Amino acid sequence: AQSVTQPDIHITVSEGASLELRCNYSYGATPYLFWYVQSPGQGLQLLLKYFSGDTLVQGIKGFEAEFKRSQSSFNLRKPSVHWSDAAEYFCAVGSETGANNLFFGTGTRLTVIP
Amino acid sequence: NAGVMQNPRHLVRRRGQEARLRCSPMKGHSHVYWYRQLPEEGLKFMVYLQKENIIDESGMPKERFSAEFPKEGPSILRIQQVVRGDSAAYFCASSPQGAPDTQYFGPGTRLTVL
Repeated sequence: AQSVTQPDIHITVSEGASLELRCNYSYGATPYLFWYVQSPGQGLQLLLKYFSGDTLVQGIKGFEAEFKRSQSSFNLRKPSVHWSDAAEYFCAVGSETGANNLFFGTGTRLTVIP
Repeated sequence: NAGVMQNPRHLVRRRGQEARLRCSPMKGHSHVYWYRQLPEEGLKFMVYLQKENIIDESGMPKERFSAEFPKEGPSILRIQQVVRGDSAAYFCASSPQGAPDTQYFGPGTRLTVL
């Protein structure tokens, strides 16, 4: 069965610092992986996705993620964080049954300090 | 192109009442998914529908919950005889085709049961 682990519940970084949010997944076949961002009281916005091909994926807002099959990881990175990046970040993996539902991690809350 | 629309954005019900949540997918999207997000948790899949068909309802509670996506009109998630534990944010997502397509999320309906 699929599962997603986001080991960091809450991360605080200074504005301008680099960021890495961890995501580990459990999946039987080639995973379909996503990162979404949720601002308070809002819905989820897609940051980036990995289906196949190049393991380094570029997304919106300057984010990128790297798929590492050997580590079952899909960590999200940004070289320089902006105050507007403060939000909740969710990693998700696509279903192996073909029914298309996503399995989400519990999220990482990012706080950005000036 | 308007995004996924959900209404109402906030819904307050007393225990025992019915809650009806509506979701209009993005134009051209024929696949709809419903997820529930409990406080401090990630999203949990509930049901996946195509027009006039429930494809996967493995995440739906066995009682009181139902969903439909009629030929015309929005998808409806219906919760009968609500209880306090139903208080959550309910998100709808849509995609133009099945797996492994990207799901686009609406802003959610926040249900509060008094």
